[in-house]
Amino acid sequence: TQLLEQSPQFLSIQEGENLTVYCNSSSVFSSLQWYRQEPGEGPVLLVTVVTGGEVKKLKRLTFQFGDARKDSSLHITAAQPGDTGLYLCAGGPGTASKLTFGTGTRLQVTL
Amino acid sequence: ETGVTQTPRHLVMGMTNKKSLKCEQHLGHNAMYWYKQSAKKPLELMFVYNFKEQTENNSVPSRFSPECPNSSHLFLHLHTLQPEDSALYLCASSLSSGGANYEQYFGPGTRLTVT
Repeated sequence: TQLLEQSPQFLSIQEGENLTVYCNSSSVFSSLQWYRQEPGEGPVLLVTVVTGGEVKKLKRLTFQFGDARKDSSLHITAAQPGDTGLYLCAGGPGTASKLTFGTGTRLQVTL
Repeated sequence: ETGVTQTPRHLVMGMTNKKSLKCEQHLGHNAMYWYKQSAKKPLELMFVYNFKEQTENNSVPSRFSPECPNSSHLFLHLHTLQPEDSALYLCASSLSSGGANYEQYFGPGTRLTVT
């Protein structure tokens, strides 16, 4: 069974701070996705990374896929209250679409 | 409407009731999924349909019965549920369930409470 552990589980920071969320596994994934889920809504896809070592930027969010494709990180610069939500990573096997979802990181950004 | 829609958004049902959740996708995708999201647990895949055919049943109890009449619609029929089945039920779709085209797009979910 593939497992994805995210850390930290909870993070409460003030507006303007930087933060990094980690997603780790002992399994190799062909790709890794990051989602953000706001209360009362479904997860929304933020990015997909497919190449080991790949870095993608989405405004203030920087996503990195580990060289061995077993881990990923999400860095947010100058966090804003609108960044509040549950961040989920999900690893794809590359064949059947049975994504393995991570345990989630709940982020709260306050003024 | 665009994207993935789910109805109802909230549902309260007794343990002896029968109800159905509906999902519709307007993205032209061929694969659809049901997930269960409980507090403090990772998202749990329940069922996968690809071109209307069920390809995954992740050991889901028979009190949950999926139906996929076409690639755009997915139902989850519920009967004799237990209180521990209370959760957010999410529907998702993707272009296909195989190969590299498995980026999934989620609906807003149905918040189910079993009393």
